[in-house]
Amino acid sequence: DIQMTQSPSSLSASVGDRVTITCRASENIANFLNWYQQSPGKAPKLLIYSASSLQSGVPSRFSGSGSGAEFTLTIASLQPEDIAIYYCQQSYSLPRNFGQGTKLQIK
Amino acid sequence: EVQLVQSGAEVKKPGESLRISCQASGYNFPNDRITWVRQMPGKGLEWMGRIDPSDSYTNYNPSFQGHVTISAEQSINTAYLQWSSLKASDTAMYYCARQSRREALDFWGQGTLVIVSS
Repeated sequence: DIQMTQSPSSLSASVGDRVTITCRASENIANFLNWYQQSPGKAPKLLIYSASSLQSGVPSRFSGSGSGAEFTLTIASLQPEDIAIYYCQQSYSLPRNFGQGTKLQIK
Repeated sequence: EVQLVQSGAEVKKPGESLRISCQASGYNFPNDRITWVRQMPGKGLEWMGRIDPSDSYTNYNPSFQGHVTISAEQSINTAYLQWSSLKASDTAMYYCARQSRREALDFWGQGTLVIVSS
């Protein structure tokens, strides 16, 4: 199985800050990497697919990059509604494992 | 509009059986796989398995294989997750999600809370 490791596990940032979350795969997954946002008490929501493609309706302050085994999710200017847990997921092989999540809080 | 509507919360005893459902609308149900995801209290997301509704072919995470069964009924656009003998450790929120052509989970159900307690 491919293991996904996110860093940091949690972070605090101020409104307007640029925020970056990293996801590492235990092997090469090309660009088969997705990012999800789970706001408190809600179902997860797809933000980015295929490492860097923005899902329809997602604000442009979210972006993804990377390929191979290292990926990043960037929020260009943090907004209060971005408080959530963010998960990466590989879609290269079965089982389609998720990272352990990164909890984002407002400072 | 694509929607996945899941069945309501359940409270069960250890050893009991259970089937929860996920009804899809707004797209051609046989065209896209349905995935089930577990979230234990205060924990992260776990990929349990998926089904292709067009032929009911399933893939399971080895961590869940043998303990749950995923099925689908094309005629009513519904996927199911079932247990024959629940354990306390099955207490969790369970989500269904549609797998898009690009292999991501693009639409999610609202979740079904399952509580297993004696």
